[in-house]
Amino acid sequence: LAKTTQPISMDSYEGQEVNITCSHNNIATNDYITWYQQFPSQGPRFIIQGYKTKVTNEVASLFIPADRKSSTLSLPRVSLSDTAVYYCLVVTNTGGFKTIFGAGTRLFVKA
Amino acid sequence: NAGVTQTPKFQVLKTGQSMTLQCAQDMNHNSMYWYRQDPGMGLRLIYYSASEGTTDKGEVPNGYNVSRLNKREFSLRLESAAPSQTSVYFCASRTGVLETQYFGPGTRLLVL
Repeated sequence: LAKTTQPISMDSYEGQEVNITCSHNNIATNDYITWYQQFPSQGPRFIIQGYKTKVTNEVASLFIPADRKSSTLSLPRVSLSDTAVYYCLVVTNTGGFKTIFGAGTRLFVKA
Repeated sequence: NAGVTQTPKFQVLKTGQSMTLQCAQDMNHNSMYWYRQDPGMGLRLIYYSASEGTTDKGEVPNGYNVSRLNKREFSLRLESAAPSQTSVYFCASRTGVLETQYFGPGTRLLVL
């Protein structure tokens, strides 16, 4: 599994767009990038997954450049309730069920 | 449909005691996982089970054993608890490798 690197923490203000970048230099052809969100005292929950270019859902957008060595999770107009830890994961579709979360990025949204 | 359930929610153990954390899912998922999360840290994979009848070590398996009792249930056992095992334990399940992992509410374990 490709190792991921993301910032330890980020601060933002309500209403701003937040971009969290994840580095995965050793990503393989069959790997996908997945992001999870974790609120305090809860288990993580899925946000978004992508392979290349751009993926958007009702919660976030995921931007993946052509070389796929990094990805950026974009949260539009964050609110206080978006304060959480965000994890970038690389998952493979070639039968590898082992899933490593890493340390994640702590996002703190201020009023 | 309860999703992923874990018992107990909270447990206090003395050093050397043993206990089993229970996890069950009702989503007919093939694979199940046990993670631990220490205060202020990310999740670390202890063990996982890709399918019924199989289990594999994760990042931090020492001091733990697991049993995939059937497709629904995946238990984690601490044979001789140590203070270093004080943590929050999360169980998760998923259908396929690219599918979403669904997490339980966690078990808070304190080892004195």
